[in-house]
Formats: sequence, C-alpha cells, structure tokens
Amino acid sequence: DAEITQSPRHKITETGRQVTLACHQTWNHNNMFWYRQDLGHGLRLIHYSYGVQDTNKGEVSDGYSVSRSNTEDLPLTLESAASSQTSVYFCASSDGAGGTEAFFGQGTRLTVV
Amino acid sequence: GQSLEQPSEVTAVEGAIVQINCTYQTSGFYGLSWYQQHDGGAPTFLSYNALDGLEETGRFSSFLSRSDSYGYLLLQELQMKDSASYFCAAESGNMLTFGGGTRLMVKP
Repeated sequence: DAEITQSPRHKITETGRQVTLACHQTWNHNNMFWYRQDLGHGLRLIHYSYGVQDTNKGEVSDGYSVSRSNTEDLPLTLESAASSQTSVYFCASSDGAGGTEAFFGQGTRLTVV
Repeated sequence: GQSLEQPSEVTAVEGAIVQINCTYQTSGFYGLSWYQQHDGGAPTFLSYNALDGLEETGRFSSFLSRSDSYGYLLLQELQMKDSASYFCAAESGNMLTFGGGTRLMVKP
C-alpha cells in the first residue's frame, strides 16, 4: 500500500544545531507540504513543493528550508534550531487535483533545548 | 492572506448531533475540506465541498455557502470515538490553509 512516512518520530536537539526531518511518500504525488502544529494555532504551512526542483515558502518559513530532488522525498531542514521551533511537524502529500485528499505522515515531535 | 475561524471547543453527548462552523477569508478560494485528528495522530480527510450545498458521507455531512464564506461539519449519532479535533481547511491553488481546529468532546 502507498504511504507517507516521517522520520524520526521524536527528536531532541540543542539550540543552534542543524536538524533535518525526513518525509518519504510512495503515492507518486506531485504536491508535498510541511506543516507545524502548536497548541492554539492549528496547522501552519512552512514550505511546499509542486514537483521536482520546485519549492515555495509558506506562512511560517523563517528558519526552515526544503529541497525536492525527486518525487518521493521532501526533507525539512532547520538551519539553526531555536526553542521557538519546538513543535510537532507534519508532512503531507496530494496529487494536486482540486479537492483531492491530502495524506499526512504520523508527525515528528521535535524538542529544542 | 488566508484566515479561517472555528470554535475552539464543543461538547456533546453520545447519540446527539453537533455542528462545527467555519468562516473563512481567502484569496483564490477553490473549496473547503474537513479533517479529523485524534490525540497523538495524524489529520485524516473527512470531506470536501467545492460547490454550495450539503455533502453527505455516512454520519458526517459538510455544507458550504460561498456567498457567505461559511461552511460547517455536521456529525450525527455521535459516538465516543468521534472525540477528536476537527479542522476546516481552505483550498487555494493546490494548497490547504487550516483553521485552528475545534476540539470535540463526546460525553456518555
């Protein structure tokens, strides 16, 4: 079965370190998204991609970057982790047609100490 | 910019009907989706409305009024397992912008 997986599921890192969160999907979807979820803020879009070599900034992109070298993967990098980036991160993918369901990974809980 | 407003919390009893409202302000609005998320889990798709009116999927129905920038999710015959957070999400282009979520608590 097709799926979308995130790794690691939990991570603790120190302030100032570079951190990369992995997202891998086997749906062959063109669209991939990274969200962060904090209490009281719902899901906020960090970065998104509509295809290979395409990346775009979302609502809360400062301090984050992504790259899309193939269809399956969209890794999220925190260049210099800050305590404000402690959050639960969700990756999602969709095939781009209007109204199409977005499929979410199980999330990565990141703690920056 | 994009913004969606929904109540933060709703409580209902098992077997009852509950309606979760969502108002939105988005540019390039295409349609409104609803997602369910249980504690510790990932959001999962429930329904989608691109046209005005009601869409029914089993116990869940979703409504959209484009002229009022308003939609709602209707949950019937509530069950304990329906206790979760529910998010409306506006589609613009191929992108989803989410509301802050409504936490539904179903009591026996």
